[in-house]
Amino acid sequence: NAGVMQNPRHLVRRRGQEARLRCSPMKGHSHVYWYRQLPEEGLKFMVYLQKENIIDESGMPKERFSAEFPKEGPSILRIQQVVRGDSAAYFCASSKYTSVETQYFGPGTRLLVL
Amino acid sequence: GENVEQHPSTLSVQEGDSAVIKCTYSDSASNYFPWYKQELGKRPQLIIDIRSNVGEKKDQRIAVTLNKTAKHFSLHITETQPEDSAVYFCAAGGPGANNLFFGTGTRLTVIP
Repeated sequence: NAGVMQNPRHLVRRRGQEARLRCSPMKGHSHVYWYRQLPEEGLKFMVYLQKENIIDESGMPKERFSAEFPKEGPSILRIQQVVRGDSAAYFCASSKYTSVETQYFGPGTRLLVL
Repeated sequence: GENVEQHPSTLSVQEGDSAVIKCTYSDSASNYFPWYKQELGKRPQLIIDIRSNVGEKKDQRIAVTLNKTAKHFSLHITETQPEDSAVYFCAAGGPGANNLFFGTGTRLTVIP
């Protein structure tokens, strides 16, 4: 039973480019969460999605950031026109039912913006 | 919204000693409190969790206690080993919340 998968594991982008991060939840899990972790800091919630629906995006910047979780395929976090401040580790987590239970984390995507 | 504070930010202990990490939360409605361990460059991994209908939970060398009245919970690691060295995060979640709120982490170093 594979865990949460994320790709790519490392991503380098130049300022102004787009970054696309993918997350496949654990089998049987329909709830996906994206968190951002800056160096030496904790995990900050960005967005919570269920299949085809964004449930809560209160932690996501209003501009340049978007997320989706289509009926088929992985969840995608998209960052347009990246800036240096977007450099961070982006973790995806999934749970089976609701947010108030065990969330299992993926290995993360480390984004570096040059 | 929920606010989780975690102390200390760094902790060094001798191998074999105990380590205690404390967290407080602000939302009395929170009822789920997991602890995650994150090794350098790795994913956060759940090590233990507790729900608000339980005051204490133990799993081998790891235990978590919860005081709902005071709104704080603690992680206790006994007989520490060098492989316990990592960053530990507490978190809180509750009905009506769509995410976990994380503390800022504690870097634990176990000195052989």
